[in-house]
Order: sequence, then C-alpha cells, then structure tokens
Amino acid sequence: EVQLVESGGGLVQSGGSLRLSCAASGFTFSTYWIHWVRQVPGRGLLWVSRISFDGSRADYADSVKGRFTISRDNAKSTLYLQMNSLRAEDTAVYYCARATSWGHYDYWGHGTLVTVSS
Amino acid sequence: DIVMTQSPLSLPVTPGEPASMSCRSSQSLLHSNGYNYVHWYLQRPGKSPQLLIYLGSDRASGVPDRFSGSGSGTDFTLKISRVEAEDVGVYYCMQALQTLTFGGGTKVEIK
Repeated sequence: EVQLVESGGGLVQSGGSLRLSCAASGFTFSTYWIHWVRQVPGRGLLWVSRISFDGSRADYADSVKGRFTISRDNAKSTLYLQMNSLRAEDTAVYYCARATSWGHYDYWGHGTLVTVSS
Repeated sequence: DIVMTQSPLSLPVTPGEPASMSCRSSQSLLHSNGYNYVHWYLQRPGKSPQLLIYLGSDRASGVPDRFSGSGSGTDFTLKISRVEAEDVGVYYCMQALQTLTFGGGTKVEIK
C-alpha cells in the first residue's frame, strides 16, 4: 500500500526555520517526482515545490523561492522541505504528493500543519 | 501562470440528482500529444485531496463511474450523474501543462 506520511510541522516565530519530512512506503520512491502542496486552513490548494526522482532538479513557487529548499534521500525513501525566513503567510497545512508522468497526483499524504506567529 | 477559474463557488445538491461544475483555464491545456493536462480532485471535509479524473476525462482507479470529466482546450466540466451523500466536499481542478496551478474550488453540499 502506497503511503506518504508528513511530519515536522509546528508553531514557529516569524523569521524562524522548520524542516518538514515526508516518509514514503509501498512503492519505489526513487522513480517518482514528489511535490509539496500547501493549503491555508479553509482555503484552496497552492503548489509549493517539486523535485525530480533523482534529486537533480528542483522547482519552486515564486512565493517561496530563495527561502525554501526541497531535497530527498532515496536510500531512506524520504522527502524534505527546509523552510527558512518563515512568514505569517506561510501558515498552512503542507502536503507531500506523488506525481505521475502526466502531472497529476495519484497519492497524497495526510498533511502537517505549520503555524507561523508574527 | 495559468489561471484556473471554477464555478460555481457553492453547489447545493439533492441526493440522486445530477450535478455539474465548470473549470476554465486562461490558456489552452491541450498538449501537442492530444491530451488535456487538467485533473480533478475531491477533498472531503477534514481529509486530503484525492484524485478523481486525470487528463480531462480518465477516471482514477477506484473512482465510481458516476463521475465523469469532459472538455478540451480551456473549458472543462466535471459531472456527477447521481449525487450520493459521500460526494460532499470541495472539488478542485488543476492544470499540469505549465507550473502547476489549482482552481479555487467548488464546494458541494447536500440541500
């Protein structure tokens, strides 16, 4: 069974840092692009970042570029999101999602809540 | 970025009746390979989004056949032939032709 389990969320002050993790199981992690998508509670979905299957390519939304860094450890089947210089507007539930070659997400994690206090 | 616009914002439905919602993109999502790079998700209350339809009209594994997707280019539709109580939630369209963007969602609730 495919599973994606996020962790690392919590309460942090504005300007602080946090590292999220996404532990994958049930599939060959190293053959998939994985994305981070966030959602302000009660609001819509926003793509944040993605990383290629081998980690050689990473892309970011303009709103997080230069502050967030996505990475992966294929040996541990784990995805990471290092978030620095956090702002109140980064407050959201962060989901990791597995992407297919057609660009859609066939599996999502349960999400982890990040709250940035100003 | 491609802007995805969904309507209506809210859709009250009666169980057993059909329902339909729209998604429009600011640019064509039709790739040269003939596929429309638009996908639909349902987010039930308190849950993660789940894939319903990919490439405009292909049902994801395990999705009931009462759900169908159609459209091409910039105009897309998700239809539910007979709404069931478990279909309540927010429906999102997403484009994957360029930098991924989502529509604002259509909230389906029982009348």
